[in-house]
Amino acid sequence: NAGVTQTPKFQVLKTGQSMTLQCAQDMNHEYMSWYRQDPGMGLRLIHYSVGAGITDQGEVPNGYNVSRSTTEDFPLRLLSAAPSQTSVYFCASSYSRAGGAGELFFGEGSRLTVL
Amino acid sequence: QQPVQSPQAVILREGEDAVINCSSSKALYSVHWYRQKHGEAPVFLMILLKGGEQKGHEKISASFNEKKQQSSLYLTASQLSYSGTYFCGTDSNDYKLSFGAGTTVTVRA
Repeated sequence: NAGVTQTPKFQVLKTGQSMTLQCAQDMNHEYMSWYRQDPGMGLRLIHYSVGAGITDQGEVPNGYNVSRSTTEDFPLRLLSAAPSQTSVYFCASSYSRAGGAGELFFGEGSRLTVL
Repeated sequence: QQPVQSPQAVILREGEDAVINCSSSKALYSVHWYRQKHGEAPVFLMILLKGGEQKGHEKISASFNEKKQQSSLYLTASQLSYSGTYFCGTDSNDYKLSFGAGTTVTVRA
């Protein structure tokens, strides 16, 4: 099983450019989420989805868009990159229990640098 | 709102014990614990659901006091492989799993 696959692993952008971080899982998980990790701040939730066609905002959604057209895929879009979005991004998926996520399976992460 | 973890860092010798605490200002429905090695993704250790449940994973166990909105992770007879950063994640039955800033554990021979 591939688990959770994120691409690209590394990306350098200039301020104002747009890009999409891809995330795909092959475990038929209903719940998917995106986190960013910055030194000293742990993991902060950007957006999450409890199923195809359903998305919602997390703690730090500004500057990011998501969509969930299939169970497998949950792309994260940066419409106009800013230096403050320099971070490591993790996609995670899990089965969905009532009211919350189960055990999260994380992708390997995508390191994004915005100049 | 992110839960608060303490301590920020701990250094242990092999065989020693440690406790990591996690507290929230919100009513909690579940607490997750993960460990992350440098340069890698976080890995699931355990999940505790509302009800004061205690769980174990090898010599790592945890408790959850829902009334105090706190959880503790217990590292018993630590091994070199226990080194890493430990994160607690909490949710209030709203699908928003928030993580603390992490506790860095270093186990030395």
